[in-house]
Amino acid sequence: KQEVTQIPAALSVPEGENLVLNCSFTDSAIYNLQWFRQDPGKGLTSLLLIQSSQREQTSGRLNASLDKSSGRSTLYIAASQPGDSATYLCAVSKGAQKLVFGQGTRLTINP
Amino acid sequence: ETGVTQSPTHLIKTRGQQVTLRCSSQSGHNTVSWYQQALGQGPQFIFQYYREEENGRGNFPPRFSGLQFPNYSSELNVNALELDDSALYLCASSFYGSGNTQYFGPGTRLTVL
Repeated sequence: KQEVTQIPAALSVPEGENLVLNCSFTDSAIYNLQWFRQDPGKGLTSLLLIQSSQREQTSGRLNASLDKSSGRSTLYIAASQPGDSATYLCAVSKGAQKLVFGQGTRLTINP
Repeated sequence: ETGVTQSPTHLIKTRGQQVTLRCSSQSGHNTVSWYQQALGQGPQFIFQYYREEENGRGNFPPRFSGLQFPNYSSELNVNALELDDSALYLCASSFYGSGNTQYFGPGTRLTVL
């Protein structure tokens, strides 16, 4: 059974810092990994999707890496801003069906 | 292009009642997945619908059921509501295929009293 773990559960940093969020998964036989952002009480916004054959994806100040063999992914956020405050979720997929999510990292950027 | 929409936004029910949640998929998408997200937790997969049939199910009892319509919209029905069913219910649409992103709606917040 696939299990996804995100560390830390919560993180608070001052504005302008670069930061890294971690995601690990137990079954390396995945098709892809996605990072999502969730604002309080809202739905999920897809940030980055990495196919299993890829090592990383970049979008603006965000960079996600994937090491499938070790079951790890990181989300790097450069020059953090207060608007980046949200919960960040990673999810893995083994096919066209379900996504298996971690519990998320609650990020607070302090002005 | 219209994104994924869900209705209602909020809903309050009492234990034992039945509820129906609705989801309209994004234009061009033919697959709808439903997730339950308890407070402080990551979403849990309930089931997926493709071509109007259930195409995979998570660890949820049969009182959770669904439908997909010819226009690819979908319903989630929950019978005999329990207090633990209180959660944010998320719908996601995609074009069927293993490499495709799922796009999520804003969710329906269900409270069971």
